[in-house]
Amino acid sequence: ELQLVESGGGLVQPGGSLRLSCVASEITFSNYWTGWVRQAPGKGLEWVAIILEDGSVKHYLDSVKGRFTISRDSAKNSLYLQMNSLRGDDTAVYYCARDRGSVWGQGTMVTVSS
Amino acid sequence: DVVMTQSPLSLTVTLGQPASISCRSSQSLLFSDGDTYLHWFQQRPGQSPRRLINKVSYRESGVPDRFSGSGSGPDFTLHISRVEAEDVGVYYCMHSVNWPWTFGQGTKVEIE
Repeated sequence: ELQLVESGGGLVQPGGSLRLSCVASEITFSNYWTGWVRQAPGKGLEWVAIILEDGSVKHYLDSVKGRFTISRDSAKNSLYLQMNSLRGDDTAVYYCARDRGSVWGQGTMVTVSS
Repeated sequence: DVVMTQSPLSLTVTLGQPASISCRSSQSLLFSDGDTYLHWFQQRPGQSPRRLINKVSYRESGVPDRFSGSGSGPDFTLHISRVEAEDVGVYYCMHSVNWPWTFGQGTKVEIE
């Protein structure tokens, strides 16, 4: 059974950067969408960015365009989210999710605060 | 952007009784491949979300058969035939017909 494990969260000051990673437990050969979903404390779910697993297409939520970059490394079974110019409203648990949400990681907390 | 509107936002149910959650989309969720990209998720307290239903009515492997999905645009429904204690949590509908994929506000299910 495929599992996803995120890492890289933490406390960062406004304007700072973080890089989230998500490692899959097994290699898959289907070209699914995969991406990042965030959940602010006590709030609902929000897709932030998605990428086709061949890396050919990427989409971003308007509020993160120009600040966040999604990427993947198929050799490492890994997905990344580079987050720059972080703001307080980026504070959330960030989940890695595959195939329109069929598989989720456990989440990693990102806190943006001075 | 497609807006997903759930109702009710809170639901208190007696054990063993049925429950249903509604979701309305502001646009058609029918894709050019003929599938309707409406999904249902459960998020138990302190856990990651879990997809229960894919494309309106396809129950995921391991999901109890008391959960079912129905509907056609713009109205969709998640049915729980007999609520059990482990069903406590927040339920979300979500579309993935075009970007941005969006969730409904969530429906909190509690046991009476």
